[in-house]
Order: sequence, then structure tokens, then C-alpha cells
Amino acid sequence: GQQLNQSPQSMFIQEGEDVSMNCTSSSIFNTWLWYKQDPGEGPVLLIALYKAGELTSNGRLTAQFGITRKDSFLNISASIPSDVGIYFCAGQLQGAQKLVFGQGTRLTINP
Amino acid sequence: KAGVTQTPRYLIKTRGQQVTLSCSPISGHRSVSWYQQTPGQGLQFLFEYFSETQRNKGNFPGRFSGRQFSNSRSEMNVSTLELGDSALYLCASRSWGGLETQYFGPGTRLLVL
Repeated sequence: GQQLNQSPQSMFIQEGEDVSMNCTSSSIFNTWLWYKQDPGEGPVLLIALYKAGELTSNGRLTAQFGITRKDSFLNISASIPSDVGIYFCAGQLQGAQKLVFGQGTRLTINP
Repeated sequence: KAGVTQTPRYLIKTRGQQVTLSCSPISGHRSVSWYQQTPGQGLQFLFEYFSETQRNKGNFPGRFSGRQFSNSRSEMNVSTLELGDSALYLCASRSWGGLETQYFGPGTRLLVL
């Protein structure tokens, strides 16, 4: 089945640093979503992308929908302790009413 | 507005048993989806119900089934449990808009011994 390759799997950074993670696939997606999951909670939507090349920001978060429609990245600027968690990308294939998720990026921040 | 609620939050079962998990969607949401989350396979789509009918299905064996009631509440059942069924089961609800509008519940953590 379709797979999303998300990298890196984990990141250990200092507070204040910028973070970058990405997802790639061999399939074309018409929607890309980025979620954050805290321990004991379900994923929460951060950013939704709908068009190739689209660049969208949500506070310190910025995400882009790749031109080829096969990839997306998420950047977090000036990280703070509450950014700790697992970040997931998810893609929706054209015509499909379900999401394919990446394996997640676990972000750890050293104060 | 109350969020998606799932019960129970934690469950321990033994192999061969069956289990039923419950999900109450956000008021007004008529679609409920179920996902399985494991460290090895990540988040995988199980199925989606809308107006008491299964509308989409993932690639899981028939041991995994679900249903939706007229009040949009949904249940998921797993029969003949296997060790590999140990996972966090997440429910998500949405009004019939895009998938980006779905909201996840906190999940039910199932441990099969």
C-alpha cells in the first residue's frame, strides 16, 4: 500500500533552535496534513495544505506542499519546551476518503 | 463543545478474547473513523462510518469490525484477539467535510497478553 517516509525519526535539540522535518512518497497526494501528538492524547491538526507549492504558516510553524505533490516539509522556528511531542505528516490520495500517515518524528528539547 | 470521547481508556485482554471499544463523536459530527496506532506500523486507518453505514475501509482482517448508532456513537469490535492487536486505538469524528476537519479522541490503549 501507499507509504509515507517521514524523517527524521527523532530529533534532540536545544531550546530556541529551529526544527525541520519532511515526508516523501512515491504517490501523488492532493492534500497534506501535519499533526502533533502529545502523550496520552490523540493527534491534533497543525497545518493543512491543499495545493502544490503552497506555503502555509501557523505561528512559529511553516509547512509546504511540494511541487511534485509527493512531499511536504514542516519547519518549527525558535523551539520552546511545549513543542515536545510526536509530529506526523498525513496525506490524502486523490479520490480517497482516508489518510495515510508517516511514522512520526519524535521531538525532544533540552532546556 | 465537548471533544471526542473514547471508553475505556485502558484495557487488558488475553489472546482469543474479544473486545469492544466505544467512541462518542463531537456533537453534530456524523462521521466516525477508527485508526490503529502501533510503534511498528504507525497510524493505520481501520474504517469510517457515516450515517450508520461503513463508507471506507482499510486493510485489516475481518476480525476488526465496527458499527455506528443513530446518535452517531460508534463501537469497534476485535474478535479472537492476537498479541499483535496491542495498540492505541484512536477514533476521529468530523462533519462530512474534508479529512482535515476531523478531530481525534485520546484513544483506548489495548494490551493483549
